Amino acid sequence: QVQLVESGGGVVQPGGSLRLSCAASGFTFSSYGMHWVRQAPGKGLEWVAFIRYDGSNKYYADSVKGRFTISRDNSKNTLYLQMNSLRAEDTAVYYCAKRPSVFEYFDYWGQGTLVTVSS
Amino acid sequence: SYVLTQPPSVSVAPGQTARITCGGNNIGSKSVHWYQQKPGQAPVLVVYDDSDRPSGIPERFSGSNSGNTATLTISRVEAGDEADYYCQVWDSSSDHNYVFGTGTKVTVL
Repeated sequence: QVQLVESGGGVVQPGGSLRLSCAASGFTFSSYGMHWVRQAPGKGLEWVAFIRYDGSNKYYADSVKGRFTISRDNSKNTLYLQMNSLRAEDTAVYYCAKRPSVFEYFDYWGQGTLVTVSS
Repeated sequence: SYVLTQPPSVSVAPGQTARITCGGNNIGSKSVHWYQQKPGQAPVLVVYDDSDRPSGIPERFSGSNSGNTATLTISRVEAGDEADYYCQVWDSSSDHNYVFGTGTKVTVL
């Protein structure tokens, strides 16, 4: 069965950096696009970034463009999110989510990892 | 940017029908997807492409989409259906923008 396990969250000061990882199993990772979606405490869902199955194209929400970088290592079945210049408003649970083939929704989600930006 | 509006809350008695709306400009021209999120858990896809159900999702969950409103309907509501529900579309007018609705808390009385 599909499993997505995020890691790397924690407490970081404003202006700092953090790298999240998402380990995938139960499907052919190299064949599917992948997303990061976040949820601030008590708030709704916000899409963050998408990367195509082969890493050839990457897309970002305006709120993180220029600060966050999505990447993947298909040999390790792992998705990454490098977060730089972190702000208090980046505090959220970050989920990785799988894209089903060519369709524009999220069919499987990880359990999430909490990032807290605070001094 | 494209905006999806949901009612903040819906209350329903067990065994009755809950209807959750998702409003957006000409949303009927887009594919709408719905997610269920229970407290402390990750979202789960319950309806995709307006009205299709992933395997393992009960037939009690159904969807429709027309005009400016999409609707998720939960029939014969059970206590275990109490959760937050989010609609979602892909806004093709901007560069790869995935839009979520504001979310609806369903309370089973």
